[in-house]
Amino acid sequence: AQSVTQLDSHVSVSEGTPVLLRCNYSSSYSPSLFWYVQHPNKGLQLLLKYTSAATLVKGINGFEAEFKKSETSFHLTKPSAHMSDAAEYFCVVSDWNSGYALNFGKGTSLLVTP
Amino acid sequence: GAGVSQSPSNKVTEKGKDVELRCDPISGHTALYWYRQRLGQGLEFLIYFQGNSAPDKSGLPSDRFSAERTGESVSTLTIQRTQQEDSAVYLCASSFDRVATEAFFGQGTRLTVV
Repeated sequence: AQSVTQLDSHVSVSEGTPVLLRCNYSSSYSPSLFWYVQHPNKGLQLLLKYTSAATLVKGINGFEAEFKKSETSFHLTKPSAHMSDAAEYFCVVSDWNSGYALNFGKGTSLLVTP
Repeated sequence: GAGVSQSPSNKVTEKGKDVELRCDPISGHTALYWYRQRLGQGLEFLIYFQGNSAPDKSGLPSDRFSAERTGESVSTLTIQRTQQEDSAVYLCASSFDRVATEAFFGQGTRLTVV
């Protein structure tokens, strides 16, 4: 069975400082991994995805994530936070065993302070 | 339209009544998902349709919940004898095929059971 764990329910950073949102997954098969963002009162939007190509994945708005198989991690990073990055972030895993259904983590709420 | 469309956007119903939520996926998308998001919580998987395969109903919380999809078109999620704990935002998503491609989300239906 697959699962995904977001290690922090809340992360607070100052504007201009780096962002790190942590995600660990378990999967018996080669997984696909995603990060989605949900801004307040907005729909879910794909930030980036990993599907067995390059392990360092670049997404929208300056975000990137690195797939580390040995650590079963897919942490989301950004060098410099903007106020507009404040949102809920979801790590998602999908694999063959689950019929490719998307399995969401519980989410990390990112707060950006001035 | 170009995106996933859900209706109604808001629904207030009395406890014990049945409700039907509708999702129009993006044309040509074979995969369709329903998720539930309670206030301040992550996404809870409900059901997954993929083409003509039998749906994955493993996330439906009780037999009061059911969903249908005709071919690769509209899906309806029905909740019978609604309870207050059913209050949540119900999200629908569709994707192009089963191999872990990006899922596009609708804006959701906010269900309030009073």
